[in-house]
Amino acid sequence: DAGITQSPRHKVTETGTPVTLRCHQTENHRYMYWYRQDPGHGLRLIHYSYGVKDTDKGEVSDGYSVSRSKTEDFLLTLESATSSQTSVYFCASSYVSGGPETQYFGPGTRLLVL
Amino acid sequence: GQNIDQPTEMTATEGAIVQINCTYQTSGFNGLFWYQQHAGEAPTFLSYNVLDGLEEKGRFSSFLSRSKGYSYLLLKELQMKDSASYLCAALDSNYQLIWGAGTKLIIKP
Repeated sequence: DAGITQSPRHKVTETGTPVTLRCHQTENHRYMYWYRQDPGHGLRLIHYSYGVKDTDKGEVSDGYSVSRSKTEDFLLTLESATSSQTSVYFCASSYVSGGPETQYFGPGTRLLVL
Repeated sequence: GQNIDQPTEMTATEGAIVQINCTYQTSGFNGLFWYQQHAGEAPTFLSYNVLDGLEEKGRFSSFLSRSKGYSYLLLKELQMKDSASYLCAALDSNYQLIWGAGTKLIIKP
């Protein structure tokens, strides 16, 4: 299994506060992704990165920003958390984008915004 | 728009066979993935199909019909540990994965 970790694993925060979630991978994968998973919805892409300092928006990027200063780290920031951002957040990485290269997922972060 | 449809929940008996269907509508198509996700855990890769036909991998098989926009995952000799959600995802023309909401499979003794 790919070495992908996420921190924190659980977080409770209040509306209006900034929150940063960290994803760390030890596979030297070029591509990294942030998803959110909510009941009744498939995984929805928030942002992705195709290299250091190269990022792009996904399907549900409003209210989120990302940064990638090193190959192994991909940070997701909620600028001002809202209750609608309560979710489970998964980070994933892959060596290449598309084709048979699979995405490997981290264990997830459960975020509760009160 | 892009859409993936799969049943919300299915129930099957230990030792039996179950087929989980998935239909997709995407802007372009570059393959179909199946992932398994146990409750509270991360999704893990099961299979990838890009050509029509059946791919067999042990107790699990995956089928694709590109002309029909249809795939299924076949699980044989069901075991209790197969109780999980099964996620179907299609790779669109931009090589982005479009995910279904998942099928929760419940295995009964």
